[in-house]
Amino acid sequence: EVQLLESGGGLVQPGGSLRLSCAASGFPFSSYAMSWVRQAPGQGLEWVSGISVSGGSTYYADSVKGRFTISRDNSKNTLYLQMNTLRAEDTAVYYCAKDPTIRIEIDYWGQGTLVTVSS
Amino acid sequence: AIQMTQSPSSLSASVGDRVTITCRASQGIRNDLGWYQQKPGKAPKLLIYAASSLQTGVPSRFSGSGSGTDFTLTISSLQPEDFATYYCLQDYNYPLTFGGGTKVEIK
Repeated sequence: EVQLLESGGGLVQPGGSLRLSCAASGFPFSSYAMSWVRQAPGQGLEWVSGISVSGGSTYYADSVKGRFTISRDNSKNTLYLQMNTLRAEDTAVYYCAKDPTIRIEIDYWGQGTLVTVSS
Repeated sequence: AIQMTQSPSSLSASVGDRVTITCRASQGIRNDLGWYQQKPGKAPKLLIYAASSLQTGVPSRFSGSGSGTDFTLTISSLQPEDFATYYCLQDYNYPLTFGGGTKVEIK
């Protein structure tokens, strides 16, 4: 059974940092590019960041470029999102997902973790 | 970044109705477009990929069409379980971009 289990969400003050993790199992994690997608409360979906199979190529939405860093550890089957200089508008549920750019029909998503940026 | 303009933002329909949702890309994206369904509190679920290919396990009442800049998702006969929010996603290039969503509500 495919599982993507996010962790690390919580309440953080504006300007603070948080690191999200996504533990993968049930599929060959090291063979797939991965992404983070977020959804602010009551709002639509926003793609945040993507990373290649090796981790050598990374991609970001303009809204997070320079503040967020995506990485992966294929030996641990884990995806990460380091979030710095957090703003109120970063408040959202963050989903870990298999990146859709290659083999989009392989559709894997986590259950999401809530990040709340508030003083 | 490629902008994806989705319409309508919401619609009310009855069981059995035919429903059409459109997405327009700000530049050509070939057929690199997917359609997702999301229900409250759940992760999105892929319905259509490559603009018109039906994802495995998805009912045949869902169909997609289009290429280039204009795309359509059609539900031929709306069922009670189809009341949800639908999003298009361009996977042509980074940054990937979603449409704003269409909430399908019960009339």
